Amino acid sequence: DAGVTQSPTHLIKTRGQQVTLRCSPKSGHDTVSWYQQALGQGPQFIFQYYEEEERQRGNFPDRFSGHQFPNYSSELNVNALLLGDSALYLCASSLWRRSNQPQHFGDGTRLSIL
Amino acid sequence: DAKTTQPTSMDCAEGRAANLPCNHSTISGNEYVYWYRQIHSQGPQYIIHGLKNNETNEMASLIITEDRKSSTLILPHATLRDTAVYYCIVRVADANTGNQFYFGTGTSLTVIP
Repeated sequence: DAGVTQSPTHLIKTRGQQVTLRCSPKSGHDTVSWYQQALGQGPQFIFQYYEEEERQRGNFPDRFSGHQFPNYSSELNVNALLLGDSALYLCASSLWRRSNQPQHFGDGTRLSIL
Repeated sequence: DAKTTQPTSMDCAEGRAANLPCNHSTISGNEYVYWYRQIHSQGPQYIIHGLKNNETNEMASLIITEDRKSSTLILPHATLRDTAVYYCIVRVADANTGNQFYFGTGTSLTVIP
């Protein structure tokens, strides 16, 4: 039973570029959430997708956008990259109708902005 | 925003029980308490969660006070591999209002040989 998988594991970009990160949820899950974790901090919620729609959004600018596909996988897109976007980006999956159950996290994509 | 308070760091001797406290004095009646841990360079790993009853699984025990304003995660026999940052999170399990997790900065637990 595959867990949450994310790709790529590491990525280096320069300021002003755009980046796309990918996530495949745990088998049987239909909801994907994205988090940003800066060095030494806890993960911060970016947004959550269910039924291919953004359902909740944290305090992140419109440069951060996402998409969910019919197979429940998801992408996180970040435009006009800033140095401050350097972080570990985590994807978590869950089952929408079992909202009291925990989210399961992938090991993240480490994004470095030069 | 994080609604929990945890000590910044703790040490525990290998083989002894590790007791990690969490204060959540403003918890609502429909909010669950979740514990995750994060080992360096990995994603957060789910440990245990509960509403008001004490819970136990193969990894740990969760003790929630009767007034639900605080809880303690117990790792019964800590090993070196339990060295990690431990996050205590409270959230409403309601998909309509959003079931995202709000993490604080957690407790850095170091298990000492």
